[in-house]
Amino acid sequence: ETGVTQTPRHLVMGMTNKKSLKCEQHLGHNAMYWYKQSAKKPLELMFVYNFKEQTENNSVPSRFSPECPNSSHLFLHLHTLQPEDSALYLCASSQAARGEKLFFGSGTQLSVL
Amino acid sequence: DQQVKQNSPSLSVQEGRISILNCDYTNSMFDYFLWYKKYPAEGPTFLISISSIKDKNEDGRFTVFLNKSAKHLSLHIVPSQPGDSAVYFCAASGYGQNFVFGPGTRLSVLP
Repeated sequence: ETGVTQTPRHLVMGMTNKKSLKCEQHLGHNAMYWYKQSAKKPLELMFVYNFKEQTENNSVPSRFSPECPNSSHLFLHLHTLQPEDSALYLCASSQAARGEKLFFGSGTQLSVL
Repeated sequence: DQQVKQNSPSLSVQEGRISILNCDYTNSMFDYFLWYKKYPAEGPTFLISISSIKDKNEDGRFTVFLNKSAKHLSLHIVPSQPGDSAVYFCAASGYGQNFVFGPGTRLSVLP
């Protein structure tokens, strides 16, 4: 248990569906992240939030929409995804943004049909 | 262009022997490095770190070596145990920037 909880663990959705991924951290951290891991590729940083403010959007398509209502919760809203978006989506947190050790959740394995 | 490379996608080692996982980087601004371990269906978990002011950091069976001139770091696990079988990621950060991850090396420790 790393103190970062992600739900759901698995998600199958059609290209016209709307779904949301949820992440909660119990570590008192101030920064939260979304990463994407596709097969045989490095972890790709998607979004960074620091003290609830988005500080980085790594050229992510608008069909992915993050939301950070407070420093403990992070959501990723999904809309009209493509099959190539199928991947493991990992949430992470750190004490502060940039250069601090990351603590990861278990991830959501997403399949887009 | 990958800034952090792990050129061995997989490695097999006999139980009790040493495992050496390698990582190369191209950005000379990187000054802080982490190793993570990932089991299937779980998120990566932090193993060990090293900053550029050191060339070695040790924690139990795990030792990380940093060669700044060669832009190379390695993770040594000794003795290797079957429970060490996982994917290992190297990550690098420079001057407080976000971490850049390598593609990972899958380690199999054979009993």
